[in-house]
Amino acid sequence: DTGVSQNPRHKITKRGQNVTFRCDPISEHNRLYWYRQTLGQGPEFLTYFQNEAQLEKSRLLSDRFSAERPKGSFSTLEIQRTEQGDSAMYLCASSRLAEVTDTQYFGPGTRLTVL
Amino acid sequence: GDSVTQMEGPVTLSEEAFLTINCTYTATGYPSLFWYVQYPGEGLQLLLKATKADDKGSNKGFEATYRKETTSFHLEKGSVQVSDSAVYFCALSKWGSQGNLIFGKGTKLSVKP
Repeated sequence: DTGVSQNPRHKITKRGQNVTFRCDPISEHNRLYWYRQTLGQGPEFLTYFQNEAQLEKSRLLSDRFSAERPKGSFSTLEIQRTEQGDSAMYLCASSRLAEVTDTQYFGPGTRLTVL
Repeated sequence: GDSVTQMEGPVTLSEEAFLTINCTYTATGYPSLFWYVQYPGEGLQLLLKATKADDKGSNKGFEATYRKETTSFHLEKGSVQVSDSAVYFCALSKWGSQGNLIFGKGTKLSVKP
């Protein structure tokens, strides 16, 4: 396994701009999760996919946020009209649907700063 | 709602000291419990897990026992090393196989030589 990768690692943008992040999960992992982590807090769940289907979205995921996972491989998270409150670390994790409690493997994250 | 509470940090210990990081949870049903670790500049890594009451998870000298009666999952290590310096997160899996993790706020551990 090469691990979960995320790009870019850092993103600085101005308020009101749109940004898109990419996550490449571990090969053959069915599930892909997005979390957001702010300073001094633990990660908070945003959404998850099983293959290409988005099965759950947190109430934290406002209508400015959209996530896709075409073909069930990589995923993108887009934030439209960014706000300063969107500044956070965005984490992606993947897991294999092979056991009752599947282990999630996390990527290094994308740190977003909204000026 | 479901939640995880862990002791506030930072925790500073000398090398070879005994470590305990407390974690308690509130959840309906029977969650699975996890400890994740985040080393400086790295992503979250699973340290250990337990899926049912009285299970003990262990890895790299760390241990935690799933205590249903006290809704706790305290992390322990008998002798910490400088290389254990990191942020430790306790988490629960809310709906079993669906696996959406709920995390505590994290506890920063610094180990001095």
